[in-house]
Order: sequence, then C-alpha cells, then structure tokens
Amino acid sequence: DAKTTQPPSMDCAEGRAANLPCNHSTISGNEYVYWYRQIHSQGPQYIIHGLKNNETNEMASLIITEDRKSSTLILPHATLRDTAVYYCIVRAILTGGGNKLTFGTGTQLKVEL
Amino acid sequence: GAVVSQHPSWVICKSGTSVKIECRSLDFQATTMFWYRQFPKQSLMLMATSNEGSKATYEQGVEKDKFLINHASLTLSTLTVTSAHPEDSSFYICSALDRASVGELFFGEGSRLTVL
Repeated sequence: DAKTTQPPSMDCAEGRAANLPCNHSTISGNEYVYWYRQIHSQGPQYIIHGLKNNETNEMASLIITEDRKSSTLILPHATLRDTAVYYCIVRAILTGGGNKLTFGTGTQLKVEL
Repeated sequence: GAVVSQHPSWVICKSGTSVKIECRSLDFQATTMFWYRQFPKQSLMLMATSNEGSKATYEQGVEKDKFLINHASLTLSTLTVTSAHPEDSSFYICSALDRASVGELFFGEGSRLTVL
C-alpha cells in the first residue's frame, strides 16, 4: 500500500472548519483514500473514503486533488468531540483478500473552545 | 451500520497465564478479520490477517506461537495471548471485512490487556 504523510498535530477552534491534509504522492490507480479517526482508548471509526471524486457524508467531506497525490479531510463545524487522532490511509480494494489497512502516525486534532 | 464487538473490553491477568480475546461481527459475515495491537501514544500495528477456515497470516516479527488466532466461523475470530508477560500488555483491536460490501472494514472497540 502507498505511504501517506500527515502533520503530527493540528488545533482548531470549536465551530470552525477543520482541514486535515494528507500527502500520498505514490498512490496508484486502484488505491482508494480512506480516513479513520481514533478517540482515546477506542477502536478506529470510519469517516469517509474516495477514489478520485470529492466525497461528502454526514461526518465530513473529502477533497482529492486532480493528480490524486494529496487529499484533505474537512470537518465543516468541528466540536470538542472531534478531538481525536485522524488517520489517512490508501489501499487497494481487492477481491479475495489483501484488503488490510496499514496505519501511519496520523494527525492529532485538538478542538478547543 | 455494521458492528464489530470485542470481548473482553479489558482484562488483567497474571504473568504466565493465557488470555483469549473474541472478535465478533454482529450483523454481517466476515471472511477476513485483522488483529492489531497498539501501545500508548503509538499507531496501530497490524499483527495478523485471519481468514475463515484457514491459518492466519502473521506480519513479520509477530510470533505465531505466542499469539494464536482462530477464525472458525464467518462471525468469530479469537486471539489467544499464550504465556502472557508484562511486555504483552497492550490495546488489542480487531477489524472485520464485510464480504458483502467490497472495501468496508469495521473495527471493534478494542481490548486492553494488562499483565501483572
């Protein structure tokens, strides 16, 4: 799976949009961009994923650059409960296996009043 | 949404004993489950991939005789930490791949093991 690079930490004011960047310059054509987050001492929570088009769901938006070498996760109105470590992962979706997720170090997002 | 349940959520055991952690997919069938461990302030590290009805595939550096994995059914995988030692104390997390929905990977809540 392609390697990702994320800033180790970010701060955001409550109510503001949190924009979390991720570089994945070696991504290949069949690899998706996934975002998970982990709140302290819990299992990772799925947020969103995409291939090349921008995606939006009830939690967040995912903006993928045209060359697919980077992406940004946007939490439109961050709350204190969004404080967590956010992981950007790229992986191929394969039939019959090989779908493991390899976690990098992630970005610790701290939302403050 | 799909739910993956782990049990126990936390366990304390004496050094030298064995501990079994269960991972269940509650509303979907999972042909593949993954086991991770996570030390404090570190990222998740994949330990092994568990396929239903076959032997688990272990990542480099993970002792298969130490961490026994069984995936006997499409909804249950177990991780047994044998002859546990204090250095095995960690947060163990499983994830399950929904075979009906390509690409959907769900995580359990994690199991915290403390070996005294």
